[in-house]
Order: sequence, then structure tokens, then C-alpha cells
Amino acid sequence: ILNVEQSPQSLHVQEGDSTNFTCSFPSSNFYALHWYRWETAKSPEALFVMTLNGDEKKKGRISATLNTKEGYSYLYIKGSQPEDSATYLCAFYSNDYKLSFGAGTTVTVRA
Amino acid sequence: EAGVTQFPSHSVIEKGQTVTLRCDPISGHDNLYWYRRVMGKEIKFLLHFVKESKQDESGMPNNRFLAERTGGTYSTLKVQPAELEDSGVYFCASSQDRRGYEQYFGPGTRLTVT
Repeated sequence: ILNVEQSPQSLHVQEGDSTNFTCSFPSSNFYALHWYRWETAKSPEALFVMTLNGDEKKKGRISATLNTKEGYSYLYIKGSQPEDSATYLCAFYSNDYKLSFGAGTTVTVRA
Repeated sequence: EAGVTQFPSHSVIEKGQTVTLRCDPISGHDNLYWYRRVMGKEIKFLLHFVKESKQDESGMPNNRFLAERTGGTYSTLKVQPAELEDSGVYFCASSQDRRGYEQYFGPGTRLTVT
């Protein structure tokens, strides 16, 4: 069982503010790190797949960085909007082809 | 292209009853996965089908859970008899690639056992 941890568990952000949160994962057997955005009763939506140390990915106002040597990834939301409210899940994809998820960070954006 | 679909979206049953969840993967995806998320915790792997064969069922919690994928198309996950701790969201995912590098998830079935 691989230990993938996300912090904080939840956070509240004022509309327009920026925020970030963390995913930490084992630094061994690393193949890729996935970020998903999930709203209840909907399918988790893939945001990023990151493979290389130092990778930075961006999709609109959301971006992510990856440090495989120390085993962490940050997800950033710039200028939060109410539609950004969701649970953000990271998943560690190991080189034995298994996805191990963190418990998620639930973001609530207040108008 | 239709995504992964799951039925029902929500099920409420009493302890001791039986429930069957269904997953229809993306057409042409040979690989189908079941996961479960207990409230507030991480999504955990249950099992992986390649076509109709169980490739990996190491995550199945106990023999009250039975997964099938007859014909290699849709899959069912039966819980019999259900216990309180089985409550959670059951996700299905499919992928074209056997390694499961890129998995597409369904919306989940929320199971509540009372």
C-alpha cells in the first residue's frame, strides 16, 4: 500500500484569491503523478499527468509542479472562481502500473 | 464518444441485503477497473479486468464482493450481504492501455447501507 497524502483536507477561499495545496508521494517506483478534479456525482476529470522532475503544467488558471526527488507536487489555482469548487485528487502511478490516490483536498470558493 | 457510465447513481439498502452495481466502459476499452472511496478517505483500487478476465483482484475486501465481466463488455459488482462499512462511492474506470496509464472514470455509484 503506497502512502499518498494530500494537505490540507479542505480549504475555503474568497473569490478572486489564489491558493495552493500539496500532494506528497513515495519517491521510489515513480512513473507518473495524476491530478484529477472531482465534483460529487460527476466523473473525476483528469487535469494533468506529470512524469518528469521539475515538470510544470498549466490549464487556464490552474497549474501544477512536480518534484519527484523529494516526492511532492503542488497544485495552484489563480484568481479562484466559484466554479473551481471541487475536490482535487492526486494519484501516484507506480512502475508496477497501479494508481494510488490521496484522500483529496476539497476547495470551496466563496463569492 | 460516450464516457464511462455507471448505474445506479445512488443506492440505499439495508444491512444484509444484496446490491448489484453496473459499469459500462468506453467502447473498445479492454481494461476495466473498480475502485471505492469511503467518505473522507482515499479512492482505493478493488480490481482490474482485461476483457473478461480478472487481471488483479488484490483490492477486493472480502468474499462478499463479486465482480463479473461476462463477454468483456460491461461489468457488475455485487455485494452480498451488504454491511455498514460497505457504504461509499464505487467508481469504475476504463482504459485502452493494459498498463492503465490513462484511465477514464465514471461518475460513481453512491452506496449507502443502513
